[in-house]
Amino acid sequence: DGGITQSPKYLFRKEGQNVTLSCEQNLNHDAMYWYRQDPGQGLRLIYYSQIVNDFQKGDIAEGYSVSREKKESFPLTVTSAQKNPTAFYLCASSIIHRGTPGAQFFGPGTRLTVL
Amino acid sequence: GQQVMQIPQYQHVQEGEDFTTYCNSSTTLSNIQWYKQRPGGHPVFLIQLVKSGEVKKQKRLTFQFGEAKKNSSLHITATQTTDVGTYFCAGGAAGNKLTFGGGTRVLVKP
Repeated sequence: DGGITQSPKYLFRKEGQNVTLSCEQNLNHDAMYWYRQDPGQGLRLIYYSQIVNDFQKGDIAEGYSVSREKKESFPLTVTSAQKNPTAFYLCASSIIHRGTPGAQFFGPGTRLTVL
Repeated sequence: GQQVMQIPQYQHVQEGEDFTTYCNSSTTLSNIQWYKQRPGGHPVFLIQLVKSGEVKKQKRLTFQFGEAKKNSSLHITATQTTDVGTYFCAGGAAGNKLTFGGGTRVLVKP
C-alpha cells in the first residue's frame, strides 16, 4: 500500500532529552512537511523540504532540526531547546506544482509527551 | 506573514440542518485547500480550489473560492453524524507551503 508512516504513535521522554520522530513515505512525493498541533488548535509548520538535501524553516522552527538524506525519509528531532515540546506532531508529503502547493497527505501522527 | 482565519471556531449543528464555515486570508492566495480531521485522527484532504470564484461540490459539501482569492467557504447540507470533526482550510502561496487556519470544530446533535 502507498502511504506515509510515522513512528512511534506515542512517545514519552524526560525533560532535557532530544528525541527523533520518524516519517517515511512511498508515494514518490518530492515535498515533505512537519507540523505541530496543540490541543484544540490548528497546524503550525515547523520545517519543510522540497528536494533531497535541502529544507526550509517554517513558522516555528526554533528548538527543532530536520534532515532529508533520502526522498522517502524526513526525520524530525525535537531538541532540549524546545520550551514546550509536548504536542501532536504530523508529517505530510505532496507533489510539487509550479509555484502552487499540492494536496498534502498526512501520516497518523506522533503524540509526544515530555515529563 | 500570511494569516488564515476561520470562523466559527465551534459549530453545534442539529442533525439534518445546514451550516457554513468561513475562511479568510490576509493575502491573496494561489489556491485554497480543505481538510477534515476526525477526533483523534489526522487531517485528510478534501478538495482544492484554484480559480477565482470557483465552486465545487462533493455530495452534501459545497466549496467556494472568493472572487479576490482571499476567502473561501464550506457549506454542508443535511448534516449527519458522520460530519463530526474539525474542518481546516489551508491557503497556498509561493514557496510550496500552506498556511492552515485554526479550524472549525463541528459537533452534531442527533
